[in-house]
Amino acid sequence: EPEVTQTPSHQVTQMGQEVILRCVPISNHLYFYWYRQILGQKVEFLVSFYNNEISEKSEIFDDQFSVERPDGSNFTLKIRSTKLEDSAMYFCASRGQGSDTQYFGPGTRLTVL
Amino acid sequence: AQSVSQHNHHVILSEAASLELGCNYSYGGTVNLFWYVQYPGQHLQLLLKYFSGDPLVKGIKGFEAEFIKSKFSFNLRKPSVQWSDTAEYFCAVNQAAGNKLTFGGGTRVLVKP
Repeated sequence: EPEVTQTPSHQVTQMGQEVILRCVPISNHLYFYWYRQILGQKVEFLVSFYNNEISEKSEIFDDQFSVERPDGSNFTLKIRSTKLEDSAMYFCASRGQGSDTQYFGPGTRLTVL
Repeated sequence: AQSVSQHNHHVILSEAASLELGCNYSYGGTVNLFWYVQYPGQHLQLLLKYFSGDPLVKGIKGFEAEFIKSKFSFNLRKPSVQWSDTAEYFCAVNQAAGNKLTFGGGTRVLVKP
Protein backbone atom coordinates (compact mmCIF):
# COMPACT_ATOMS: atom_id res chain seq x y z
CA GLU A 1 0.00 0.00 0.00
CA PRO A 2 1.45 3.41 -0.93
CA GLU A 3 2.50 5.60 1.98
CA VAL A 4 3.52 9.16 2.67
CA THR A 5 7.17 9.31 3.64
CA GLN A 6 9.07 12.03 5.47
CA THR A 7 12.73 12.79 5.96
CA PRO A 8 14.54 13.15 8.20
CA SER A 9 12.86 11.35 11.06
CA HIS A 10 14.63 13.62 13.54
CA GLN A 11 16.27 16.99 12.94
CA VAL A 12 18.24 18.90 15.53
CA THR A 13 19.13 22.50 14.77
CA GLN A 14 20.33 25.64 16.45
CA MET A 15 18.00 28.57 17.01
CA GLY A 16 18.10 30.93 14.05
CA GLN A 17 19.08 28.28 11.54
CA GLU A 18 17.02 27.37 8.51
CA VAL A 19 15.54 23.89 8.24
CA ILE A 20 13.83 22.09 5.40
CA LEU A 21 11.55 19.21 6.17
CA ARG A 22 10.84 16.89 3.29
CA CYS A 23 7.81 14.85 2.39
CA VAL A 24 7.05 12.50 -0.47
CA PRO A 25 3.28 12.32 -0.82
CA ILE A 26 1.46 9.37 -2.32
CA SER A 27 2.24 9.52 -6.02
CA ASN A 28 -1.13 10.35 -7.57
CA HIS A 29 -2.25 12.70 -4.80
CA LEU A 30 -2.81 16.36 -5.57
CA TYR A 31 -3.57 17.94 -2.19
CA PHE A 32 -0.86 18.35 0.42
CA TYR A 33 -0.84 19.42 4.02
CA TRP A 34 1.50 20.16 6.91
CA TYR A 35 0.50 19.78 10.54
CA ARG A 36 2.54 19.97 13.69
CA GLN A 37 2.26 18.69 17.23
CA ILE A 38 4.15 20.38 20.02
CA LEU A 39 4.88 17.93 22.82
CA GLY A 40 1.83 17.51 25.02
CA GLN A 41 -0.41 19.59 22.75
CA LYS A 42 -2.88 18.94 19.96
CA VAL A 43 -2.03 18.26 16.35
CA GLU A 44 -2.41 21.66 14.64
CA PHE A 45 -2.98 22.50 11.00
CA LEU A 46 -0.30 24.63 9.37
CA VAL A 47 -0.95 24.83 5.66
CA SER A 48 -2.64 23.18 2.70
CA PHE A 49 -1.33 23.23 -0.86
CA TYR A 50 -2.90 22.48 -4.21
CA ASN A 51 -1.96 23.23 -7.80
CA ASN A 52 1.30 24.85 -6.71
CA GLU A 53 -0.44 27.31 -4.46
CA ILE A 54 -1.24 27.60 -0.80
CA SER A 55 -4.96 26.90 -0.37
CA GLU A 56 -5.20 27.78 3.28
CA LYS A 57 -2.85 28.56 6.13
CA SER A 58 -3.19 28.96 9.85
CA GLU A 59 -2.04 31.80 12.07
CA ILE A 60 0.99 29.71 12.95
CA PHE A 61 2.16 29.74 9.34
CA ASP A 62 3.79 33.16 9.36
CA ASP A 63 6.50 34.64 7.14
CA GLN A 64 9.08 32.33 8.65
CA PHE A 65 7.39 29.35 7.02
CA SER A 66 7.17 28.44 3.37
CA VAL A 67 6.18 25.41 1.36
CA GLU A 68 7.26 24.24 -2.03
CA ARG A 69 6.79 21.41 -4.43
CA PRO A 70 10.18 21.60 -6.13
CA ASP A 71 9.62 18.62 -8.39
CA GLY A 72 6.97 16.04 -9.15
CA SER A 73 7.46 14.08 -5.99
CA ASN A 74 8.66 16.17 -3.05
CA PHE A 75 6.74 18.60 -0.88
CA THR A 76 8.84 20.64 1.51
CA LEU A 77 8.32 22.84 4.54
CA LYS A 78 10.97 25.45 5.19
CA ILE A 79 11.42 27.34 8.41
CA ARG A 80 13.71 30.27 7.71
CA SER A 81 14.95 31.14 11.17
CA THR A 82 13.98 28.56 13.72
CA LYS A 83 12.85 29.47 17.21
CA LEU A 84 12.79 27.34 20.32
CA GLU A 85 9.01 27.15 20.11
CA ASP A 86 9.21 25.55 16.66
CA SER A 87 10.30 22.34 18.35
CA ALA A 88 7.57 19.87 17.49
CA MET A 89 6.65 16.83 15.46
CA TYR A 90 5.80 17.90 11.92
CA PHE A 91 3.41 15.73 9.93
CA CYS A 92 2.88 15.82 6.20
CA ALA A 93 -0.36 14.53 4.70
CA SER A 94 -1.70 14.07 1.19
CA ARG A 95 -5.07 13.46 -0.38
CA GLY A 96 -6.16 12.26 -3.78
CA GLN A 97 -8.54 13.98 -6.16
CA GLY A 98 -12.11 13.12 -5.26
CA SER A 99 -11.08 11.54 -1.98
CA ASP A 100 -12.00 12.75 1.46
CA THR A 101 -9.21 11.09 3.40
CA GLN A 102 -5.86 12.59 4.29
CA TYR A 103 -3.00 10.12 4.57
CA PHE A 104 -0.30 11.03 7.03
CA GLY A 105 3.43 10.48 7.03
CA PRO A 106 5.37 9.26 10.06
CA GLY A 107 6.47 12.75 11.03
CA THR A 108 9.74 14.61 11.53
CA ARG A 109 10.70 15.46 15.06
CA LEU A 110 12.30 18.91 15.01
CA THR A 111 14.34 19.94 18.02
CA VAL A 112 15.55 23.53 18.18
CA LEU A 113 18.32 24.18 20.67
CA ALA B 1 -13.76 28.40 15.16
CA GLN B 2 -14.31 24.71 15.44
CA SER B 3 -12.76 22.75 18.27
CA VAL B 4 -12.60 19.13 19.28
CA SER B 5 -12.31 17.73 22.77
CA GLN B 6 -11.51 14.22 23.87
CA HIS B 7 -12.56 13.47 27.38
CA ASN B 8 -9.86 11.07 28.47
CA HIS B 9 -6.15 11.63 28.14
CA HIS B 10 -5.20 8.14 29.30
CA VAL B 11 -7.14 4.91 29.45
CA ILE B 12 -5.80 1.66 30.88
CA LEU B 13 -7.74 -1.54 30.49
CA SER B 14 -7.29 -5.27 30.25
CA GLU B 15 -7.62 -7.43 27.18
CA ALA B 16 -11.21 -8.34 26.31
CA ALA B 17 -12.55 -5.26 28.06
CA SER B 18 -14.77 -2.90 26.14
CA LEU B 19 -13.48 0.48 25.08
CA GLU B 20 -15.31 3.72 24.56
CA LEU B 21 -13.52 6.98 23.84
CA GLY B 22 -15.43 10.21 23.91
CA CYS B 23 -15.19 12.97 21.35
CA ASN B 24 -17.16 16.19 21.21
CA TYR B 25 -16.84 18.97 18.71
CA SER B 26 -18.09 22.50 18.61
CA TYR B 27 -19.31 23.71 15.27
CA GLY B 28 -22.81 24.52 14.17
CA GLY B 29 -22.52 23.57 10.53
CA THR B 30 -22.03 20.33 8.68
CA VAL B 31 -18.89 18.50 9.67
CA ASN B 32 -17.05 15.41 8.61
CA LEU B 33 -15.72 13.30 11.44
CA PHE B 34 -12.70 11.04 11.70
CA TRP B 35 -10.91 8.81 14.12
CA TYR B 36 -7.21 8.27 13.55
CA VAL B 37 -4.94 5.90 15.44
CA GLN B 38 -1.22 6.11 16.00
CA TYR B 39 0.45 2.88 17.06
CA PRO B 40 3.80 3.21 18.83
CA GLY B 41 6.43 4.33 16.36
CA GLN B 42 4.02 4.51 13.46
CA HIS B 43 2.18 7.21 11.57
CA LEU B 44 -1.40 8.35 11.95
CA GLN B 45 -3.76 5.89 10.30
CA LEU B 46 -7.43 6.34 9.56
CA LEU B 47 -9.68 4.08 11.65
CA LEU B 48 -13.01 5.29 10.36
CA LYS B 49 -14.87 8.33 9.12
CA TYR B 50 -18.37 9.74 8.95
CA PHE B 51 -19.65 12.06 6.26
CA SER B 52 -23.36 11.33 6.03
CA GLY B 53 -25.90 8.54 6.17
CA ASP B 54 -25.99 5.86 8.85
CA PRO B 55 -24.67 7.50 12.03
CA LEU B 56 -23.15 4.21 13.17
CA VAL B 57 -19.91 3.80 11.29
CA LYS B 58 -17.80 0.67 11.23
CA GLY B 59 -14.08 0.92 10.70
CA ILE B 60 -11.05 -1.29 10.62
CA LYS B 61 -9.94 -3.68 13.35
CA GLY B 62 -13.40 -4.00 14.89
CA PHE B 63 -13.82 -0.34 15.78
CA GLU B 64 -17.05 1.57 15.35
CA ALA B 65 -18.23 5.07 16.12
CA GLU B 66 -21.60 6.68 16.52
CA PHE B 67 -22.40 10.19 15.39
CA ILE B 68 -25.00 11.85 17.62
CA LYS B 69 -25.75 15.19 16.08
CA SER B 70 -27.78 16.49 18.99
CA LYS B 71 -24.86 15.90 21.32
CA PHE B 72 -22.13 17.01 18.90
CA SER B 73 -20.45 13.72 19.68
CA PHE B 74 -18.63 11.02 17.77
CA ASN B 75 -17.60 8.38 20.30
CA LEU B 76 -15.36 5.49 19.36
CA ARG B 77 -16.08 1.98 20.60
CA LYS B 78 -14.66 -1.49 20.48
CA PRO B 79 -16.44 -4.33 22.29
CA SER B 80 -13.33 -6.34 23.14
CA VAL B 81 -9.86 -4.87 22.97
CA GLN B 82 -6.61 -6.65 22.33
CA TRP B 83 -3.09 -5.86 23.48
CA SER B 84 -2.35 -4.70 19.93
CA ASP B 85 -4.90 -1.88 20.35
CA THR B 86 -2.40 -0.07 22.55
CA ALA B 87 -2.03 3.25 20.76
CA GLU B 88 -3.00 6.90 20.79
CA TYR B 89 -6.40 7.70 19.32
CA PHE B 90 -7.27 11.05 17.77
CA CYS B 91 -10.67 12.42 16.90
CA ALA B 92 -10.72 15.02 14.12
CA VAL B 93 -13.24 17.08 12.19
CA ASN B 94 -13.33 19.20 9.10
CA GLN B 95 -15.97 21.37 7.56
CA ALA B 96 -15.79 20.10 4.02
CA ALA B 97 -14.23 17.09 2.41
CA GLY B 98 -10.51 17.56 2.20
CA ASN B 99 -10.40 20.76 4.19
CA LYS B 100 -8.03 21.20 7.11
CA LEU B 101 -8.51 18.82 9.99
CA THR B 102 -9.02 20.02 13.55
CA PHE B 103 -7.81 17.45 16.03
CA GLY B 104 -8.70 16.60 19.58
CA GLY B 105 -5.96 16.23 22.13
CA GLY B 106 -5.69 12.47 21.72
CA THR B 107 -6.29 9.59 24.12
CA ARG B 108 -3.50 7.19 25.00
CA VAL B 109 -4.88 3.69 25.42
CA LEU B 110 -2.86 1.01 27.15
CA VAL B 111 -4.21 -2.52 26.97
CA LYS B 112 -2.68 -4.85 29.51
CA PRO B 113 -2.23 -8.44 28.36
